[in-house]
Amino acid sequence: GENVEQHPSTLSVQEGDSAVIKCTYSDSASNYFPWYKQELGKGPQLIIDIRSNVGEKKDQRIAVTLNKTAKHFSLHITETQPEDSAVYFCAASNTGRRALTFGSGTRLQVQP
Amino acid sequence: DAGVIQSPRHEVTEMGQEVTLRCKPISGHDYLFWYRQTMMRGLELLIYFNNNVPIDDSGMPEDRFSAKMPNASFSTLKIQPSEPRDSAVYFCASSFQGLIAKNIQYFGAGTRLSVL
Repeated sequence: GENVEQHPSTLSVQEGDSAVIKCTYSDSASNYFPWYKQELGKGPQLIIDIRSNVGEKKDQRIAVTLNKTAKHFSLHITETQPEDSAVYFCAASNTGRRALTFGSGTRLQVQP
Repeated sequence: DAGVIQSPRHEVTEMGQEVTLRCKPISGHDYLFWYRQTMMRGLELLIYFNNNVPIDDSGMPEDRFSAKMPNASFSTLKIQPSEPRDSAVYFCASSFQGLIAKNIQYFGAGTRLSVL
């Protein structure tokens, strides 16, 4: 089955700095890679996703890149703000098996 | 839409008791997923349904766990008998495939289960 590894487990940045979270996956059949943000006491919320036919996607301060050859994808947050502080999860799935396999999560803390 | 609705939000029970968690997916969604979140194992899939039919239950820990989806708007996850190691946050999520294959899953707020 699919295995998703995520690094780092914790990340502390100063407000205004950029943050980068990296994930690798094992199953070459995976073709959908979402990123979720989880705030304390809440369920994960989708913030951005990318499909295997695209190398990069951007939405305001958030961007995701995908390298299919190396089987890794990354989340980039620019101009971080205190409200970006949360746990971020990467995930992978494929058309055949629609359940998500999650990475272990990254706790991001943005220092004001 | 109110989103995915889970109940109860918190459940405290004693070992050996039966626990039932409930989920109402987003109207019109045809996939429903149950996930469990723990510090040790992270977010892991338990089971998922398509059009009310269980598709993959390989993540269900053991026979003490069972899940049903009697109709498109309701699902239950039952643990009988419950054990302290079942303590976790249980999430329900739903998605809609539609004409273009999408797998955007919307999560409920979760049920925090504590088994004493």
